[in-house]
This record gives sequence, structure tokens and C-alpha cells, in this order.
Amino acid sequence: DGGITQSPKYLFRKEGQNVTLSCEQNLNHDAMYWYRQDPGQGLRLIYYSQIVNDFQKGDIAEGYSVSREKKESFPLTVTSAQKNPTAFYLCASSIVGEKINNEQFFGPGTRLTVL
Amino acid sequence: GQSLEQPSEVTAVEGAIVQINCTYQTSGFYGLSWYQQHDGGAPTFLSYNALDGLEETGRFSSFLSRSDSYGYLLLQELQMKDSASYFCAVDSNYQLIWGAGTKLIIKP
Repeated sequence: DGGITQSPKYLFRKEGQNVTLSCEQNLNHDAMYWYRQDPGQGLRLIYYSQIVNDFQKGDIAEGYSVSREKKESFPLTVTSAQKNPTAFYLCASSIVGEKINNEQFFGPGTRLTVL
Repeated sequence: GQSLEQPSEVTAVEGAIVQINCTYQTSGFYGLSWYQQHDGGAPTFLSYNALDGLEETGRFSSFLSRSDSYGYLLLQELQMKDSASYFCAVDSNYQLIWGAGTKLIIKP
């Protein structure tokens, strides 16, 4: 079955530690995205990538870093520079180029809690 | 700036019809999308309007007026499983710009 996987589902980290969230897709999509969602709010774009070895900052990139070494993978690192990292993190992917509806497909999310 | 406005909460009765409005102000516009998100879950795609008019997909319909920068999602024959948050999102040059979401509460 094609889809997007994120791991882990729940993650706890001590303040001051870096942590990496995994995102893998087997949909053969070129574009991948990372969003942050806080309670009762919409999705805010952290980073996105339209092609391997290239990525762009979104609206709230400060304190985060990404890599795109493979088409299937787009890991997100939450660094100690992110002042308020507790949130629900969602990874998504989509087709680039001939867009019909720009539908984004989402993984199940990782809920990060900083203790 | 870029912004999308939608009501924070809407309440309806099972079996009824409900409309969720969305107004937007963005620098680029290719289309308006709607997504559904159940509590603790991931958003799932519902519909997309690139041109003015109504798009129908089963019990759900979506409308767009580009001249008014306005769209809505119409849900008919409401079921308890439709209780969720609904987000409008503007397709703006390879990015989606998201509204804050509307929580739909359905009463029996």
C-alpha cells in the first residue's frame, strides 16, 4: 500500500536536546512538506522540498532543519533553538508539475512534547 | 499579508445541512482546497475549486467565487462521523496557505 509514514507517533524530549522526526513516502511524489499544528489552530509550513537536495523555508523555519537526500525521505530536526517545540508535526507529500488539484497526502503525525 | 477567515465553530443537527464559509486574501491564487481532520488525526483532502462555481462530491459540495475571494463547503445529510475540523486552504504557487479551521459539532 502506498502512503506516508511518520515515526514515532509520540516523542518526549528534554529541553535543550535536538530531536529528529522521520517521514517516509512511497507514493513517488516529488514534493514533501513539514507542518506544525498547535491546539485549535491551522497548519503552519515549516519547510518544503520540491526535488531531491533542494528545500525551501516556510513561514516558521527558525529552530528547525531538514534534509532531502532521497526522494522518499524528508526528516525534520527540531533543534534546541526552537523556543516552543511542543506541538503536533505533520508531514505531507504531493505531485509536482501537472497539478489537478494540488492534493497533499498526510502522514499520521508525530506529537512532540518537551519536558 | 496573507490570511484566510473561517468560523471557529459551527453546530448542526444530524441529518441537516451545514455551510462553512471561507474568505481569503493571498498574494497568489490557483485554487481553494478543503480538508477534514478528526481529533488526533491527519488532514484528508475533500475538494478543490480552481474555477468559479460548485463542485459536488457525494454529500459534500464546495463553491468558489474568485471575484469575491470567497468559498464555502456544504455538507448535506450530516452524520455523526462528520464531526471534525474543516480547513480551507489556498493553493498559492506550490504551497498551501491554511485557515485556522472550523470545528463542526453535530448533535443527535
